[in-house]
Amino acid sequence: GAVVSQHPSWVICKSGTSVKIECRSLDFQATTMFWYRQFPKQSLMLMATSNEGSKATYEQGVEKDKFLINHASLTLSTLTVTSAHPEDSSFYICSARSESHQETQYFGPGTRLLVL
Amino acid sequence: GQNIDQPTEMTATEGAIVQINCTYQTSGFNGLFWYQQHAGEAPTFLSYNVLDGLEEKGRFSSFLSRSKGYSYLLLKELQMKDSASYLCAVMDSNYQLIWGAGTKLIIKP
Repeated sequence: GAVVSQHPSWVICKSGTSVKIECRSLDFQATTMFWYRQFPKQSLMLMATSNEGSKATYEQGVEKDKFLINHASLTLSTLTVTSAHPEDSSFYICSARSESHQETQYFGPGTRLLVL
Repeated sequence: GQNIDQPTEMTATEGAIVQINCTYQTSGFNGLFWYQQHAGEAPTFLSYNVLDGLEEKGRFSSFLSRSKGYSYLLLKELQMKDSASYLCAVMDSNYQLIWGAGTKLIIKP
């Protein structure tokens, strides 16, 4: 099946710093990528949907100036958590889908962020 | 509004059978998915149903009734490694996945 990678898999940072997470589709062109956040013992929460070459669509309650999403190519999307605080510590997961198979989302392995 | 309901937690015995139910109300329907998620890992795809009926894949089967807004995931011959959370998700008319809160399955020896 299709492969989606995320980098880094783990990141620990100080409060106030910015962290960039990359999501790559390795063997298909991802016209749409999704960014999710998951807190312990909770389900996935969709943060934003990004389409290649256009601005991301953010879910209600997600600050677009804090969580910067860039989807500059058909194989790469990045999520930057700006001025991270301890409450941003979470498991961030991306998924990707192609235009030809909109019913299928392929998930990356996730990035665990710990803000001290 | 859109809503996915599934039990929070279930317990079953190794070697037995367990059925995890999911009911949904969404704006449009483009299929129902079941994912397995082990602690600390991303979800992995288990099944996809878009037509009514039962889809069997090894020890796992998934059933869908669109008229009832209902699905279940059936796990047979349970193994300890099946201990995980099982997430039900429905794809709405905009091809967005609407997620349930997940069912934590505990397998006891």
